[in-house]
Amino acid sequence: RKEVEQDPGPFNVPEGATVAFNCTYSNSASQSFFWYRQDCRKEPKLLMSVYSSGNEDGRFTAQLNRASQYISLLIRDSKLSDSATYLCAAGRDDKIIFGKGTRLHILP
Amino acid sequence: NAGVTQTPKFQVLKTGQSMTLQCAQDMNHNSMYWYRQDPGMGLRLIYYSASEGTTDKGEVPNGYNVSRLNKREFSLRLESAAPSQTSVYFCASRGQGALGQPQHFGDGTRLSIL
Repeated sequence: RKEVEQDPGPFNVPEGATVAFNCTYSNSASQSFFWYRQDCRKEPKLLMSVYSSGNEDGRFTAQLNRASQYISLLIRDSKLSDSATYLCAAGRDDKIIFGKGTRLHILP
Repeated sequence: NAGVTQTPKFQVLKTGQSMTLQCAQDMNHNSMYWYRQDPGMGLRLIYYSASEGTTDKGEVPNGYNVSRLNKREFSLRLESAAPSQTSVYFCASRGQGALGQPQHFGDGTRLSIL
């Protein structure tokens, strides 16, 4: 079983809708949590670090639930340009493990 | 700002050949990483280096060796390439400090083993 699990999707969502992804991690000692965005055949790029109190950046909100060992990403008012693969990552110290990614398609 | 630079960007090898993938970062980061990405598999950690002089195994280290040459450079070596090692390889670096320091990725090396 992979340390970090994500629903691979694809999620097909109409433009303007709200979409939410969850990601579970198995190592309870994990300290650092991230959401990355990856476009086709490109390198992953940081979307958000995830903090214990939750954090928001424009249309994006990330939350951490340590008790249930999952992190979530909420995208509001989705845009066509949000179509991508979203990777979650969790780590302890310097060992950072990624999930398989969730594919998101925003439909016009 | 170069960030993380990987060379080469593309490579085709024959089974059994050896090759070293190079990675260099100019952000004075302590930690460096090698991942591979296969279709539907996300990023899988091969090896990482928390600081100059140290290396640790990740999720899929078999068939690979690494060298943390100095603070800037972290290389990945395939001693005897196998078709199962056909993949896109990403190098990343990460600064020290508060939790939440993200990784910065290179453009990737696309490697095909025939």
